[in-house]
Amino acid sequence: EVQLVQSGAEVKKPGESLKISCKGSGYSFTSYWIGWVRQMPGKGLEWMGIIYPGDSDIRYSPSFQGQVTISVDKSINTAYLQWSSLKASDTAMYYCARRVCTGGSCYGAFDMWGQGTMVTFSS
Amino acid sequence: EIVLTQSPGTLSLSPGERATLSCRASQSVSSSYLAWYQQKPGQAPRLLIYGAASRATGIPDRFSGSGSGTDFTLTISRLEPEDFAVYYCQQYGTAPPRYTFGQGTKLEMK
Repeated sequence: EVQLVQSGAEVKKPGESLKISCKGSGYSFTSYWIGWVRQMPGKGLEWMGIIYPGDSDIRYSPSFQGQVTISVDKSINTAYLQWSSLKASDTAMYYCARRVCTGGSCYGAFDMWGQGTMVTFSS
Repeated sequence: EIVLTQSPGTLSLSPGERATLSCRASQSVSSSYLAWYQQKPGQAPRLLIYGAASRATGIPDRFSGSGSGTDFTLTISRLEPEDFAVYYCQQYGTAPPRYTFGQGTKLEMK
């Protein structure tokens, strides 16, 4: 079964660091781009960035460049999203998603999504 | 930067009716790079349509996509109870690589 499984919910304090993960299985992990998408409470979807596990090529949304770091460990089929210093405004659900490639072509869409990782803050 | 505007914001219909959702881009979008997603409360988005008109794996044929240039449409021919959700359009720009989502249309049961 093709799936992306994300790490569990996090409760953090402002200023703390965080690294969340997304593990792919059931397909050739190194052959598909993996993107990260933010959804703030009650809001829409925002693309953060994308990485190609085969060669670690990374592209960031200008809105998130410098705010987060995307990485991958292809030896364990896992992509990561990390923050060095969280802000309360980072409260959101974060999804990883696989870019569609079919019939020898890749499309600018995401066909497989992780279940999401919720990041919240304690006072 | 391309902006996607979805209309209406909320659509109230009954099961069995036809739903027509619109996505308008601020600049021309390649049809190969226009997609539609469905999101239900507490769930991750699900890809419905990619390449403007190709149904994703397992998507019922009551869902169809059409359009080109700056105007795209998602049509649900006969609404089933499970179709009531939020729908997002999304485009991919290549130079530089960028994925942009519309603000969503909420399809609610009348």
